[in-house]
Amino acid sequence: EAGVAQSPRYKIIEKRQSVAFWCNPISGHATLYWYQQILGQGPKLLIQFQNNGVVDDSQLPKDRFSAERLKGVDSTLKIQPAKLEDSAVYLCASSGLGDRGGYEQYFGPGTRLTVT
Amino acid sequence: KQEVTQIPAALSVPEGENLVLNCSFTDSAIYNLQWFRQDPGKGLTSLLLIQSSQREQTSGRLNASLDKSSGRSTLYIAASQPGDSATYLCAVRGDDKIIFGKGTRLHILP
Repeated sequence: EAGVAQSPRYKIIEKRQSVAFWCNPISGHATLYWYQQILGQGPKLLIQFQNNGVVDDSQLPKDRFSAERLKGVDSTLKIQPAKLEDSAVYLCASSGLGDRGGYEQYFGPGTRLTVT
Repeated sequence: KQEVTQIPAALSVPEGENLVLNCSFTDSAIYNLQWFRQDPGKGLTSLLLIQSSQREQTSGRLNASLDKSSGRSTLYIAASQPGDSATYLCAVRGDDKIIFGKGTRLHILP
């Protein structure tokens, strides 16, 4: 079974530029999550999709961040314009009902963003 | 508001020892708790998922316990190995909100 795929793995941009990240979840997983992980911190949930609907985006800075999940599969997360404090690793995860119970999350390798 | 704390922030132990990592949370109304490991520069790898109705889960040398009433979970690692060196994170799910702790950075000394 293929895991969660993310691209790019690394991105360096200047402040005020825009950037987009892509995520492909595990096949059949209805729920997709985007997290921001700042160095030394635990991941912070930015947005959660159930199929192509938003379940929770309460911690998404909506003035500069946007996310979509067209057709309930792939998802993109965009930042426009980027600020220095957006430097972090952006993690995508997916979940579905599994053998060990519901909602076990599986993570992709992440995208490391550096804003200069 | 749910808060998740992991103490200590860092831990070094000699190879072969058994060890316990701690995770505490303030709101006991949770659906489940999940333990992950994270290697430097990598994503998170799921270790164990405990549903709110369960008291513990085991996988190989790992055992995770959950005590909702006291707001605590522990991850027990038996016979530690250098390959266990990583950051261990716990995540609590409640009311569709998922909150992570900051993690415990574990170093196993050969």
